[in-house]
Amino acid sequence: DAGVIQSPRHEVTEMGQEVTLRCKPISGHNSLFWYRQTMMRGLELLIYFNNNVPIDDSGMPEDRFSAKMPNASFSTLKIQPSEPRDSAVYFCASSLGAGAANEQFFGPGTRLTVL
Amino acid sequence: AQSVAQPEDQVNVAEGNPLTVKCTYSVSGNPYLFWYVQYPNRGLQFLLKYITGDNLVKGSYGFEAEFNKSQTSFHLKKPSALVSDSALYFCAVRYRNQGGKLIFGQGTELSVKP
Repeated sequence: DAGVIQSPRHEVTEMGQEVTLRCKPISGHNSLFWYRQTMMRGLELLIYFNNNVPIDDSGMPEDRFSAKMPNASFSTLKIQPSEPRDSAVYFCASSLGAGAANEQFFGPGTRLTVL
Repeated sequence: AQSVAQPEDQVNVAEGNPLTVKCTYSVSGNPYLFWYVQYPNRGLQFLLKYITGDNLVKGSYGFEAEFNKSQTSFHLKKPSALVSDSALYFCAVRYRNQGGKLIFGQGTELSVKP
């Protein structure tokens, strides 16, 4: 079975440009999570959705960040405009329900570099 | 604030020796505890979790972890380390009243030498 799919795997862009990261969760999973990983801050939850509805976006750092989940099989994380400090690895994860006992399955990540 | 701590940035073990990667959590409600492993340039992989019941939890690749409520710890263990176990290990906690939010420790780099 395919796991969580993320694209692109690598993205290099210039400051000020718009960046869109994409995620396809595991089929049948109804919760989706976006994380950011940096050396300084470790793994941070940015936002999560349950049944396509955003539940907690308190981790989204600024208004430049936005996330959507138009259907159960697709989500995007957009940064507009991008800044060098946004450089990080962005992970998408999905789980069968948002219950606290359910483990999350992570995608391979998108390594974003903003010059 | 609810949190999880991994007191060691790095653990070095010789192949064949037992390994322990430590994790402690802050006390608040009933925690669900998880261990994940991250290999270079890969996403996190789920190893095991403690929900309730037996304090000793067995997971993937021969790993196990023991939940200790009095010490608020959830240390990861393996009786005999392999070189291929070398990776970054994350402990994480969730609380029943916190919904989906998974709080991660800072990670511990495990290095197993031949």
